[in-house]
Amino acid sequence: GAVVSQHPSWVICKSGTSVKIECRSLDFQATTMFWYRQFPKQSLMLMATSNEGSKATYEQGVEKDKFLINHASLTLSTLTVTSAHPEDSSFYICSASWGAWSNQPQHFGDGTRLSIL
Amino acid sequence: SQQGEEDPQALSIQEGENATMNCSYKTSINNLQWYRQNSGRGLVHLILIRSNEREKHSGRLRVTLDTSKKSSSLLITASRAADTASYFCATGLTQGGSEKLVFGKGTKLTVNP
Repeated sequence: GAVVSQHPSWVICKSGTSVKIECRSLDFQATTMFWYRQFPKQSLMLMATSNEGSKATYEQGVEKDKFLINHASLTLSTLTVTSAHPEDSSFYICSASWGAWSNQPQHFGDGTRLSIL
Repeated sequence: SQQGEEDPQALSIQEGENATMNCSYKTSINNLQWYRQNSGRGLVHLILIRSNEREKHSGRLRVTLDTSKKSSSLLITASRAADTASYFCATGLTQGGSEKLVFGKGTKLTVNP
């Protein structure tokens, strides 16, 4: 149980393009979803936390207008990288949890490798 | 800011040996979690240990937590080639009124057949 699906797994696009990444909880209701960014051989950096039906809470240094997060339902959150540039190339991973999430495991998607040319 | 720091950064062992990874952290925590990541994939949750617990087992995994030393260890017994992955500790904490899960840099484990 607790399966999270992330799509697409890999995307290559031209500079200036906007890219949408979807994160779905397949068998549970995800009241809280998280978006992380991971650089090669490094740790996960939390970008934002989103609760269903409310605005996402962004971490310091993460541009809200650049990384648009929507969590419109209990099973879907999306991250849109707007006007992507080469420096936005990275591995983006979502995770989801429910209820009192801070004392429960997070369930991760398989990540999206984004390459901006 | 970095909270958990894993040690060693990389570990290479033979199949059948035990692997021990350590995690140190700086501030008080609500819980500590260990995750595994295969190359290019998402993370898989292994064990969550609460701040009032000292040890937890799950199959071949054993996690200890010493809050006085602000450290935790993950022991994998009788390792297998399939255990090859990166292992991350993550501290669940309350920071600025918000609850967060902060990941360390990870230990890259290689189990040689």
